[in-house]
Amino acid sequence: EAGVAQSPRYKIIEKRQSVAFWCNPISGHATLYWYQQILGQGPKLLIQFQNNGVVDDSQLPKDRFSAERLKGVDSTLKIQPAKLEDSAVYLCASSLVSLPEAFFGQGTRLTVV
Amino acid sequence: RKEVEQDPGPFNVPEGATVAFNCTYSNSASQSFFWYRQDCRKEPKLLMSVYSSGNEDGRFTAQLNRASQYISLLIRDSKLSDSATYLCVVNRGDMRFGAGTRLTVKP
Repeated sequence: EAGVAQSPRYKIIEKRQSVAFWCNPISGHATLYWYQQILGQGPKLLIQFQNNGVVDDSQLPKDRFSAERLKGVDSTLKIQPAKLEDSAVYLCASSLVSLPEAFFGQGTRLTVV
Repeated sequence: RKEVEQDPGPFNVPEGATVAFNCTYSNSASQSFFWYRQDCRKEPKLLMSVYSSGNEDGRFTAQLNRASQYISLLIRDSKLSDSATYLCVVNRGDMRFGAGTRLTVKP
């Protein structure tokens, strides 16, 4: 069974530029999460989708971050404009509604310079 | 108060040692609990779920105390390959992670 796919694996951008990350969850997983993991810290939940609806985006900095999951499968996370403190690994995870265990993609390592 | 708090670590132990990690959570409505393992520069991977009755998987034992809102992970006979960061995770409709506890097992 294919795992969670994310791209790109690495991205370097200048501050004030925009960037987008893509995630394809495990087939059949209705729940999709985006996490931000800063070096030395645990993953911080940014947004949770169930199918194409947002369940929780309380920790998403909405002035610069946006996410969508239009058809209830793939998802994109965008940052515009990026700040230095956005440098982190952005992890996508998915799970079944009936089983909460989440499975992660390899993440996108973002460096803002 | 953080929603999920873990021992800050790091833990440095010799091979064969027994090591225990503790975690507390603040939301009493939390429904399910997990331990994840994260190797350096890798994604988190599920280690085990945590049940009220306690559960064991080989050298790993997880315990949950709902009254005290406390979760633990015990690793017996630790191996070099157990070196990683261990993340406590609480599900209350979403998955909230602790900051992680780094374990280094030395020869």
